[in-house]
Amino acid sequence: RKEVEQDPGPFNVPEGATVAFNCTYSNSASQSFFWYRQDCRKEPKLLMSVYSSGNEDGRFTAQLNRASQYISLLIRDSKLSDSATYLCVVISSGSARQLTFGSGTQLTVLP
Amino acid sequence: DVKVTQSSRYLVKRTGEKVFLECVQDMDHENMFWYRQDPGLGLRLIYFSYDVKMKEKGDIPEGYSVSREKKERFSLILESASTNQTSMYLCASSLEDGYTFGSGTRLTVV
Repeated sequence: RKEVEQDPGPFNVPEGATVAFNCTYSNSASQSFFWYRQDCRKEPKLLMSVYSSGNEDGRFTAQLNRASQYISLLIRDSKLSDSATYLCVVISSGSARQLTFGSGTQLTVLP
Repeated sequence: DVKVTQSSRYLVKRTGEKVFLECVQDMDHENMFWYRQDPGLGLRLIYFSYDVKMKEKGDIPEGYSVSREKKERFSLILESASTNQTSMYLCASSLEDGYTFGSGTRLTVV
C-alpha cells in the first residue's frame, strides 16, 4: 500500500463548479499535511497547509480527519486557472521532515 | 523569496555516463532533497541532507549518490546512467515545513 494515495482523476469540471479531492495516508504518526499544486511542466508549489481544525483560503478549503487518516481539498467556483495537478503531501517524523507525495489528482476546468 | 536553482532544464546523456545534477539554494536552508517524478508514480524521494556532509537515503536511492560539501549546494550523481533513470528530477530545500522546489531537470538517458 502506498503511503499517500490519491484518486488520479482526471477530473473535468465546468467553470463555476465545486470539486473535491480526497487523499488517504497510511502512517498514523504523520505530523503535517499539505496540498501542493503543480502546473504542467512546472515544479510543485505550496497551495495550503492542512490543519486539524480545517482551514480556508478564499475558494479553497482543506480538512484533515486524523481518525480516518484522510485529507480533503474543496475548490468552490472553479476557474480555468485552477486547472493543474493537485498533490497531497504528508510529513512524517524524521530528522529532516521529508515530504511524502501522493501521485496527484489532475483537474481540468472547462469553459 | 527563496530561490532554488537547478543547473540544467533539459539534459540528454548516454547509457553508462556519469551524470551530475546540481542544485543551489540561496536562503541558508539546512535541509535539501532530491526527488524524481514519473507519470503515475508521483514524486519519490531519492536522497536528502539535513546538514553539510550529511546525507540520508530516501525511498529509491539505488543507482544514485549525493554530495553536500557546502550548505547551499546539493548534488545528485548518477554513477552509471541507465535508461530507467530517464525522469524529471526535482531539487527542494526547506527550513521547517516551508519547502521550495527548483524548476526541475528533465533527464533523458539514451
